[in-house]
Amino acid sequence: EVQLVESGGGLVQPGRSLRLSCAASGFTFDDYAMHWVRQAPGKGLEWVSGISWNSGSIGYADSVKGRFTISRDNAKNSLYLQMNSLRAEDTALYYCAKESTGYSSSWDPFDYWGQGTLVTVSS
Amino acid sequence: EIVMTQSPATLSVSPGERATLSCRASQSVSSNLAWYQQKPGQAPRLLIYGASTRATGIPARFSGSGSGTEFTLTISSLQSEDFAVYYCQQYNNWPSFGGGTKVEIK
Repeated sequence: EVQLVESGGGLVQPGRSLRLSCAASGFTFDDYAMHWVRQAPGKGLEWVSGISWNSGSIGYADSVKGRFTISRDNAKNSLYLQMNSLRAEDTALYYCAKESTGYSSSWDPFDYWGQGTLVTVSS
Repeated sequence: EIVMTQSPATLSVSPGERATLSCRASQSVSSNLAWYQQKPGQAPRLLIYGASTRATGIPARFSGSGSGTEFTLTISSLQSEDFAVYYCQQYNNWPSFGGGTKVEIK
């Protein structure tokens, strides 16, 4: 059974940093691209960042570019999101999501999602 | 960045009726379009990918159509469990989501 379990969220002051983790199991982690998607309270889904299976391709939404860094450790079956210079508008539930096709040379839809970890940026 | 626009924002439908949701891309995404369903307190669930292919376990009452910049999700006969928020997503380039359509009980 595929499982994605996010952790690392919490209350943080504006300007500070936080590192999110996503522990994956039930599939061959290093075969698949992975993504972070966030959802502000009562709002829609916003793609945040994605990383290819071999970390050769990495992308960010304009809203987080230069502040957030995605990475993965295939030996630990884990995905990370380093979030620096946090702002109030970064407050959201952060989901980890798996792409549906392994070893893909293009992007694919997300077939599994975690339950999310809540990040609240407030003084 | 490809901007996805969904309409309407809210759709009021009676159980058993048909629901038609629209999604428009700011530039062509070919058929690289997915639809997701999200219920309160739950993560999104993949319904449709490749614009028209149902994901594993998705009932036949859900169908998708379109290509290029105009896409449609149709729910042929709404069941109680279908009242939720629906999002389209393009993955032709770095992914992006539409703002969502809430399907509510009329």
